[in-house]
Amino acid sequence: KAGVTQTPRYLIKTRGQQVTLSCSPISGHRSVSWYQQTPGQGLQFLFEYFSETQRNKGNFPGRFSGRQFSNSRSEMNVSTLELGDSALYLCASSRDVGNSPLHFGNGTRLTVT
Amino acid sequence: DAKTTQPNSMESNEEEPVHLPCNHSTISGTDYIHWYRQLPSQGPEYVIHGLTSNVNNRMASLAIAEDRKSSTLILHRATLRDAAVYYCILRKDQGAQKLVFGQGTRLTINP
Repeated sequence: KAGVTQTPRYLIKTRGQQVTLSCSPISGHRSVSWYQQTPGQGLQFLFEYFSETQRNKGNFPGRFSGRQFSNSRSEMNVSTLELGDSALYLCASSRDVGNSPLHFGNGTRLTVT
Repeated sequence: DAKTTQPNSMESNEEEPVHLPCNHSTISGTDYIHWYRQLPSQGPEYVIHGLTSNVNNRMASLAIAEDRKSSTLILHRATLRDAAVYYCILRKDQGAQKLVFGQGTRLTINP
């Protein structure tokens, strides 16, 4: 069974640009969430989707947005990039049943110059 | 969200058991205790979770104190591949995917 797939693996952008990251969950998983990981702040929750609806949102500015498609695939978008947005962005999926574990992808490493 | 406290780092030797502690004194009755680990250059990986009783799976064991204010992740026979950052997380039972990660414990395994 294929794991969570995130594309691209690496991305370099300049300040002010926007970026879209993609996540394909494990087949049959309907919940998808996104996390940001930086050396200073660690792993922080961004948002969570189920059946194309945002179910939960972390404490990030409105420049960070996401969506989920009918096939459960998800994208996150960051507009007007800042240097501080450089991070590893991780996507996770789960079956959305009680405490079913989250399965994480290996992330997209975004560098903003 | 209830908070967990873990040592910043621990060190052990290959093929020896490892006990990773976690304190969660403000745990509520509906919080499950989850453990994830993150190997270098990878996303976090689920290890184990439990509510009140001790739990075992192929990766590890989870020992939960009777008052649930602390727990211990046990790796029975550490290998070099177990070197990772281990996160102890409290998760509500509502199926939400929001996990609050602390700084975790960086485990070093000596050959």
